[in-house]
Parts: sequence; C-alpha cells; structure tokens
Amino acid sequence: GAGVSQTPSNKVTEKGKYVELRCDPISGHTALYWYRQSLGQGPEFLIYFQGTGAADDSGLPNDRFFAVRPEGSVSTLKIQRTERGDSAVYLCASSASGASTDTQYFGPGTRLTVL
Amino acid sequence: AQRVTQPEKLLSVFKGAPVELKCNYSYSGSPELFWYVQYSRQRLQLLLRHISRESIKGFTADLNKGETSFHLKKPFAQEEDSAMYYCALEGLTGGGNKLTFGTGTQLKVEL
Repeated sequence: GAGVSQTPSNKVTEKGKYVELRCDPISGHTALYWYRQSLGQGPEFLIYFQGTGAADDSGLPNDRFFAVRPEGSVSTLKIQRTERGDSAVYLCASSASGASTDTQYFGPGTRLTVL
Repeated sequence: AQRVTQPEKLLSVFKGAPVELKCNYSYSGSPELFWYVQYSRQRLQLLLRHISRESIKGFTADLNKGETSFHLKKPFAQEEDSAMYYCALEGLTGGGNKLTFGTGTQLKVEL
C-alpha cells in the first residue's frame, strides 16, 4: 500500500511569510509525528498526534509553529512569520497506534528554504 | 533529559571488512533503542530495534546498559550498506513515543 506522503517536496519562501506543510499518513494509522531535520543533524521531534489531538507538543520551538489534524488522518504543520533558521527538512511519520512496539514509517520530507 | 551520541560523522571501510557504528545514550528510564537507515535518495526507514534481538541485512546491535551503548555491527560490509545510519531512543516520559535521534554516521563501503 501507499506509504506516508508529504507535500510539497520543496518549499521556498521569504522571511516573514506563512507556510503550510502537509502530511498524509498511512491509512488507518492513528499516531502521527512531525520531526525537523536541520543540516548535519538527526531528526528532532516536534509534535505527536494520537487521533485528532496533539498528545505531545513539547518539541515545537515557539508559538510560530502550530499543527493540526482535524479528522485524525491528514495533518498540516503551520509556520507563521518564517525565519531563516526555520530552513530544514520537515519529516512526518505515522505508526499504527502509537504503542512502543509500533514502527514509525517516515515520509520523504518537505525541504523548506527561507530566504 | 534523553540524549543519543554518535561520535563518528563518517566511517569508511573496505568491502568485506567488519563494521561497527557507535551509539551511546543517556536516559534515566528503561530505553527502547533503534537503528534507522537512509539510503541515497530514499526515506528514513527502520533497520532494527533492540527488543527484537534480530539480525537485519546482516546487522546486529546489542544493548549494553552498563556502558549505555547500542553499537551497530556487521561482520562483512557490502557495497549496498553505504548509507546514513541514525541511532534513536524512544522515550515514554511526557507522553507519546517520540524518538530522539543522534546526529548520524555516514557509512561508506569502498571496493
């Protein structure tokens, strides 16, 4: 079946603009994660959804970052007033139920460049 | 706080040579540890997890709680093993099964 998909694959924006990044998880997966990977670093946790609710948003760096998952499937990561430091690859992952025995399946990522 | 350290950014070995990718962790509870791999132009994918105690593509990893290590090993490197490898720790504190990743080691297998 289809894996996790993310759109767009690349996004270039100007400092101060607003962007939305979309994630389509594997069908039926209730757990959804967002990570951010800066150049030369490993992925860094941002937020975890269980169904429609954000169960853990401790990784969001500040209040410019917000994510939603209104119907428990597709999720959108929203970044307001983008800064050059937001440039990174944003990864989405999903797992069947969020249990520790579940495998997290990653999407291809969205490369965000803030000029 | 939980932390994963991969001391080598790049590891270069010859085909047929043994491989060991180092990973150390810091975590106050009982950790769940993983190795993820990213081949060129592919997405990040799970290679193995310590609770499975299995060998995947000839790779094994043993959790050493005394040394807080989870090194990835393979006795004979193959060209197709060239990839970026990330060690990760799953923390259950604070809710969710979020992963904490190391900075990764680029493995290059030379002919």
